[in-house]
Amino acid sequence: GAGVSQSPSNKVTEKGKDVELRCDPISGHTALYWYRQSLGQGLEFLIYFQGNSAPDKSGLPSDRFSAERTGGSVSTLTIQRTQQEDSAVYLCASSLVGTETDTQYFGPGTRLTVL
Amino acid sequence: GNSVTQMEGPVTLSEEAFLTINCTYTATGYPSLFWYVQYPGEGLQLLLKATKADDKGSNKGFEATYRKETTSFHLEKGSVQVSDSAVYFCALTPRGGAQKLVFGQGTRLTINP
Repeated sequence: GAGVSQSPSNKVTEKGKDVELRCDPISGHTALYWYRQSLGQGLEFLIYFQGNSAPDKSGLPSDRFSAERTGGSVSTLTIQRTQQEDSAVYLCASSLVGTETDTQYFGPGTRLTVL
Repeated sequence: GNSVTQMEGPVTLSEEAFLTINCTYTATGYPSLFWYVQYPGEGLQLLLKATKADDKGSNKGFEATYRKETTSFHLEKGSVQVSDSAVYFCALTPRGGAQKLVFGQGTRLTINP
């Protein structure tokens, strides 16, 4: 597709349930990023994948969060045993590494609400 | 570490007013600098960027100049419109390779007719 797509656009879940959020990056982009946007914390980096290298997981807030990228394309962010503080908009971005600016292009986000 | 500081909002202006949103950064080396915009109900969009000192990024009437000596990247527009109402984020990435964006806290701009 022309841009980064994410699904679902909205997700409401109960505390303690697991959720999976999906990201389809721009075709051909080698790097994929996950960020979180919440009222209290602004925009926070979570994790990024670059080609076949080990992902940078330095932004994941706890071991309940994990992500994978299959086939160098689609990525899934999984949150286990969700808590109310996980409520946020989860944003995915992709970029073409090797260009001068490595500009990141964002998807529309998944709004997660944990009740 | 790397950080970005934006002027606090919210900012409210009348249509056709001059806009400045201040942004300063702390980084090692020579980062790339960005302004992203988030319109109501929409995702983040790249507004403009600059990759080296004295570069000027511009788009949709907005401009920002990479000032290494003052570590700043202030966003300006000469005459704002109601449609410019949005949240603006200043951000940086270190130079080279895939690197996380470090964002400022965002500035909410409201333009009144």
